[in-house]
Amino acid sequence: DAMVIQNPRYQVTQFGKPVTLSCSQTLNHNVMYWYQQKSSQAPKLLFHYYDKDFNNEADTPDNFQSRRPNTSFCFLDIRSPGLGDAAMYLCATSREPGTGLHGYTFGSGTRLTVV
Amino acid sequence: GESVGLHLPTLSVQEGDNSIINCAYSNSASDYFIWYKQESGKGPQFIIDIRSNMDKRQGQRVTVLLNKTVKHLSLQIAATQPGDSAVYFCAENNNDMRFGAGTRLTVKP
Repeated sequence: DAMVIQNPRYQVTQFGKPVTLSCSQTLNHNVMYWYQQKSSQAPKLLFHYYDKDFNNEADTPDNFQSRRPNTSFCFLDIRSPGLGDAAMYLCATSREPGTGLHGYTFGSGTRLTVV
Repeated sequence: GESVGLHLPTLSVQEGDNSIINCAYSNSASDYFIWYKQESGKGPQFIIDIRSNMDKRQGQRVTVLLNKTVKHLSLQIAATQPGDSAVYFCAENNNDMRFGAGTRLTVKP
């Protein structure tokens, strides 16, 4: 089945130690998104790639970066994780930006713990 | 700023009853809305969507109502089942997806 896959499901990292989360998709969608979701809160958009074009949200900290080496893969890099970065990180895709049919397709998320 | 939000953070219903989850939006230019269901430890899952040229849309056991006059959106779940227990988000989709705060639905047996 076509889907959005996030690895790992659970990631533990040390305070200040760089960490990378990965997302892959078999939907051949043009757009890939990264959301941060803290406990009992709504997902918050960090940034997205429309093909190779990177679009950063204005309030996304510089500590967060992303790479998209090809259509299928997108990575979230946290350069120096702090305790406040502990959250669920959700990857999503859509065929086109804006009003997409049925919204976005989400992965199951990676839960990041910072110790 | 304009945002999408939910009226109630929690909702508890008896199994078999109907559930109504509400959402208020403030961006009058919004033309597309989506309800997502998120179970514990999983990503949001699409339930139903509606465009602003519609007032009502029905799916299997779910109905979304849109009142553009008061900028209100609701999700109705008929004959609520234990498997419906989750957090429900409304989302406004323009250039990207903006989520409301979420309502946690608990179904009591």
